Amino acid sequence: AQRVTQPEKLLSVFKGAPVELKCNYSYSGSPELFWYVQYSRQRLQLLLRHISRESIKGFTADLNKGETSFHLKKPFAQEEDSAMYYCALFSGGYNKLIFGAGTRLAVHP
Amino acid sequence: EPEVTQTPSHQVTQMGQEVILRCVPISNHLYFYWYRQILGQKVEFLVSFYNNEISEKSEIFDDQFSVERPDGSNFTLKIRSTKLEDSAMYFCASSDPLALGEQFFGPGTRLTVL
Repeated sequence: AQRVTQPEKLLSVFKGAPVELKCNYSYSGSPELFWYVQYSRQRLQLLLRHISRESIKGFTADLNKGETSFHLKKPFAQEEDSAMYYCALFSGGYNKLIFGAGTRLAVHP
Repeated sequence: EPEVTQTPSHQVTQMGQEVILRCVPISNHLYFYWYRQILGQKVEFLVSFYNNEISEKSEIFDDQFSVERPDGSNFTLKIRSTKLEDSAMYFCASSDPLALGEQFFGPGTRLTVL
């Protein structure tokens, strides 16, 4: 079965603290994974794609096929990082994104 | 920067009524999608559309649902006879054929069925 699991509904940290939002997936084949973010009153937008191995707004995510994980990390959280974060798996055979339940990141001053 | 637009932002309807949700995808994108998110639940795939036909649909997308690209710019989702459980946020998305997983989402239409 194709599935994305984000075990934490809410992650609450203080400004400057490290952040790790967990994502695990289940997929037979070579996965294509993404992190999408939704800031308050804004649309879902792409944050990171695993194939580009880039850092966006200080966030990075590494695909670990052995652990079937794609955790999102940032060494020093900022208040403006507060948002809903969704891990998503692109199922090429079915041409659709499969989303996790999302993790709300709250960064406190 | 081009964006996906959706209208209306909020639609309230009576159970059993037909609704049409409208989307204008990014102009050079060729793949179009509808997703929905019931309050407190996951974003769920409904349907993908390419070359004027459905390329994939979920089990949610039953005979009550249909999609159409009536002209060169609009992409619509029609629900024929709404049910209470259709109340949700509906998102339209589009993507370039070279990067199907990188989908650009609209702001959503909140559908409330009374």
